[in-house]
Amino acid sequence: EAQVTQNPRYLITVTGKKLTVTCSQNMNHEYMSWYRQDPGLGLRQIYYSMNVEVTDKGDVPEGYKVSRKEKRNFPLILESPSPNQTSLYFCASSSPDRVQDEQYFGPGTRLTVT
Amino acid sequence: DAKTTQPNSMESNEEEPVHLPCNHSTISGTDYIHWYRQLPSQGPEYVIHGLTSNVNNRMASLAIAEDRKSSTLILHRATLRDAAVYYCILRGYNFNKFYFGSGTKLNVKP
Repeated sequence: EAQVTQNPRYLITVTGKKLTVTCSQNMNHEYMSWYRQDPGLGLRQIYYSMNVEVTDKGDVPEGYKVSRKEKRNFPLILESPSPNQTSLYFCASSSPDRVQDEQYFGPGTRLTVT
Repeated sequence: DAKTTQPNSMESNEEEPVHLPCNHSTISGTDYIHWYRQLPSQGPEYVIHGLTSNVNNRMASLAIAEDRKSSTLILHRATLRDAAVYYCILRGYNFNKFYFGSGTKLNVKP
């Protein structure tokens, strides 16, 4: 089954404790992206990757890092989480084909930073 | 980045057609118009996309104005399962950034 998986699904942590949210896709997609969703602000793009070793900032990259060492994985790293990073996070992937171009989203990771 | 404007909410009766509007007056010639929807407690899911011509698929139809400054997502027969937030998005030529906007919350009444 074609899917994007994220782990963990729920995470409660404390300020300053480094964490990683993993994202993996089994569709051989080149493009992967991370979003955060906050009430009243909708979905905002954090980082995206056009392919292995190619990453770039979205609209809200501050406080986040990403890496793309393998095509299937695109982890989101919070080196020193703060309470304003409490949010619902979604990973997505797609193949940059204008004809197909359907972005598949993971189930989301709800992060709480106290 | 080109942005979109949508009504905050709309309401429809079950089994009636729904027309969800979107304005994108700053669209560029190479921007594709995408629609996604987000059901409660789920990630967004793709609905449809197009460039200039109207498009149909099993989920919906997309009507694009001749000047491309607006578009309309058409659900031909709304069901209770169609209650969701619908996002109109412009996807640039380089396929990099993806701006969702605030979307339209569709409520479907039985």
